[in-house]
Amino acid sequence: GPKVLQIPSHQIIDMGQMVTLNCDPVSNHLYFYWYKQILGQQMEFLVNFYNGKVMEKSKLFKDQFSVERPDGSYFTLKIQPTALEDSAVYFCASSVRDWGVGEQYFGPGTRLTVL
Amino acid sequence: GQQVQQSPASLVLQEGENAELQCNFSTSLNSMQWFYQRPEGSLVSLFYNPSGTKQSGRLTSTTVIKERRSSLHISSSQITDSGTYLCAMEGTGNYKYVFGAGTRLKVIA
Repeated sequence: GPKVLQIPSHQIIDMGQMVTLNCDPVSNHLYFYWYKQILGQQMEFLVNFYNGKVMEKSKLFKDQFSVERPDGSYFTLKIQPTALEDSAVYFCASSVRDWGVGEQYFGPGTRLTVL
Repeated sequence: GQQVQQSPASLVLQEGENAELQCNFSTSLNSMQWFYQRPEGSLVSLFYNPSGTKQSGRLTSTTVIKERRSSLHISSSQITDSGTYLCAMEGTGNYKYVFGAGTRLKVIA
């Protein structure tokens, strides 16, 4: 079936550095999402993105976070600067949303460790 | 806000037994999905099931919109079914999933 790819699979960085997580969504999908899962905890919504704009962001989406999808390429999540509490697995998802609804296809996740 | 309650939180089965996992929603439903989360963390989509019943092999999902609930039935459980099962729902007018806390299933020989 359709696949969402995420690069890298793992990233280890020092606190205060910048990191960019990359997502290659399903080719004809229009809606994009980031979710965050701290080890052993619940998956939580971060942000969604459509037509070049953020539609909604949660309280977890701090000012240090930003998303973009330049020229239809990767959908990226940038964190600058990183903090210890940003250590988590970040999942990207995409969907078509015919008639306003649709299945979300998830990538395998990027495990981010902030030291 | 939207809330998703999953039950049971954990379950231990003897191989061959059946399991019924439940997911209850606090608001009206637009979409919902069941996932299996592998021990290493990646997600496997089991069902996209906003309403009605769907079956795939030994798995059956039933979503009853009026009652704001969905269930996942696993028949003849196998040791390889062990892991965490997550449900996620999207409320009407929203464009995001809210996930349940998951059911940790362990199947023993």
